[in-house]
Amino acid sequence: DVKVTQSSRYLVKRTGEKVFLECVQDMDHENMFWYRQDPGLGLRLIYFSYDVKMKEKGDIPEGYSVSREKKERFSLILESASTNQTSMYLCASSLQGINEKLFFGSGTQLSVL
Amino acid sequence: QQQVKQSPQSLIVQKGGISIINCAYENTAFDYFPWYQQFPGKGPALLIAIRPDVSEKKEGRFTISFNKSAKQFSLHIMDSQPGDSATYFCAATLTNAGKSTFGDGTTLTVKP
Repeated sequence: DVKVTQSSRYLVKRTGEKVFLECVQDMDHENMFWYRQDPGLGLRLIYFSYDVKMKEKGDIPEGYSVSREKKERFSLILESASTNQTSMYLCASSLQGINEKLFFGSGTQLSVL
Repeated sequence: QQQVKQSPQSLIVQKGGISIINCAYENTAFDYFPWYQQFPGKGPALLIAIRPDVSEKKEGRFTISFNKSAKQFSLHIMDSQPGDSATYFCAATLTNAGKSTFGDGTTLTVKP
């Protein structure tokens, strides 16, 4: 089975801190995604990547950046965390050419105080 | 502009009943319509999906009904069980772009 692993289940940071959320997938998927999940707002796409060193903005990229130096790893970066970035962050991956099916990690619940 | 609208936000059904969740989309270029199921503490997992060239797809107790002209699709859970209690998300995908747009989610509670 595909495994998408997010490094932290819970994270508490202070306003203004730089935050790194890490995601690793073990099935050689080309596509990787970062979503945030908020109650009543569903899943909103922050950034995605089709290949190493490639990145594309999603629907809500403001305040975030990403890094993909290796195929299996996709990092989400909050340059200066703010309270409105308190959320559940979900990483997902999919196979190129069969890119409909997303495989999700278990999520990182980030609280910014 | 919300491209995928999902309703209801929450749903309570008795065991053995039928659960119905509806979604509507805006962009006619979407070409794949999956439903994801999410249990507490877990990430969403693909439950069932349909392409717009068919009107219905059934897998066990789960059925998707698709109405292309109305730009609507729905998930039907027959003989609902307490183990089906979860949050359900519909999505619409542009497969050539690999991007999925999700609905807001429906929290289903099946009472024993």
